[in-house]
Amino acid sequence: KNEVEQSPQNLTAQEGEFITINCSYSVGISALHWLQQHPGGGIVSLFMLSSGKKKHGRLIATINIQEKHSSLHITASHPRDSAVYICAVRSGGGADGLTFGKGTHLIIQP
Amino acid sequence: EPEVTQTPSHQVTQMGQEVILRCVPISNHLYFYWYRQILGQKVEFLVSFYNNEISEKSEIFDDQFSVERPDGSNFTLKIRSTKLEDSAMYFCASSGQLDTEAFFGQGTRLTVV
Repeated sequence: KNEVEQSPQNLTAQEGEFITINCSYSVGISALHWLQQHPGGGIVSLFMLSSGKKKHGRLIATINIQEKHSSLHITASHPRDSAVYICAVRSGGGADGLTFGKGTHLIIQP
Repeated sequence: EPEVTQTPSHQVTQMGQEVILRCVPISNHLYFYWYRQILGQKVEFLVSFYNNEISEKSEIFDDQFSVERPDGSNFTLKIRSTKLEDSAMYFCASSGQLDTEAFFGQGTRLTVV
């Protein structure tokens, strides 16, 4: 069973700061997802990675398969980035669902 | 933009009653999932569904749970006899292929009283 750990659990930063959220997992995976959950509860997919790096706007996600580690970076952070960021992995095999981390609660202050 | 829709957004039910949570996945997707999130906890996998049958299920998905895709568009989760501990947010998700982007619905908040 894959164990997904995220750090930090909570992060408060000032607008404009560079943000890094980390995710590690214990067992090899076929894919890693970064998701965003707003206070209303809805979940939005940000990235799906199986190797390397992806960029979308101010968001960058990287993954190191050998080290079983991924990072989500936010450049020029803004209060609207305030949300819970969740790392989730699929361990492969059949159509297994995702195993989720506990999430990182990010608050960006103006 | 295509989206996954879930109904109802909030359901309150008496303990022991049956509930059906409904989802309309994205139309050309092949893989369908139900997840749940108990308040304050992480999201947990319940079941995956592919090719009109259950593909994988977690320990949580016991005999009181069932899923159906009755008409090729809707995807339902039935809880036969609800318990207080079934109170949670239930998310439906779909993806076009394995290991592609997952699209989540807005969730159904189930409260069992």
